[in-house]
Amino acid sequence: ETGVTQSPTHLIKTRGQQVTLRCSSQSGHNTVSWYQQALGQGPQFIFQYYREEENGRGNFPPRFSGLQFPNYSSELNVNALELDDSALYLCASSGPGTLGETQYFGPGTRLLVL
Amino acid sequence: GESVGLHLPTLSVQEGDNSIINCAYSNSASDYFIWYKQESGKGPQFIIDIRSNMDKRQGQRVTVLLNKTVKHLSLQIAATQPGDSAVYFCAEIFNNAGNMLTFGGGTRLMVKP
Repeated sequence: ETGVTQSPTHLIKTRGQQVTLRCSSQSGHNTVSWYQQALGQGPQFIFQYYREEENGRGNFPPRFSGLQFPNYSSELNVNALELDDSALYLCASSGPGTLGETQYFGPGTRLLVL
Repeated sequence: GESVGLHLPTLSVQEGDNSIINCAYSNSASDYFIWYKQESGKGPQFIIDIRSNMDKRQGQRVTVLLNKTVKHLSLQIAATQPGDSAVYFCAEIFNNAGNMLTFGGGTRLMVKP
């Protein structure tokens, strides 16, 4: 177990809806990264938060947004859901703030968009 | 764009044999490489990492080799066990790219009893 938790574990939404996914980082970690993993593929980087600020973003549209709280937990929000957003959403925490630190993943939230 | 890829999508080995999973990377400026294991329905699990100033690192039953000349990374698993069956990903970090992990497509390791 990595100590990284995510909620919910599974979620079903319909196209056009909005979704919020949550992540609690491992104790002592102040960096949280979010990844999208489509079935049969490797995870794709969405964005990273370091000390409550966005610290890098992958090739995802603005309808993917995030937030990090003072306790370093994080949220991923996706607006105007599309069918292709169906995937496993992973968060990973690292720290204590040095670039290149190993990222430890949570179990993921599986999102299905109908 | 820069990417990390794997040579073999599926590797089948006999229990007790050694396994070698290979990975080619294209960004010669990458600083840090990690191998992850992902079992069905779970998030990627850290196995071992190596920094670009090293060429070999050993863990428990696993060894990672880095050949910067040909931009090649490999994961060696000794005495492969049924519990090693999973998808294995290599990932790289180029620190000037904001510490994001770039993953390859994965190799599925199947261990035959």
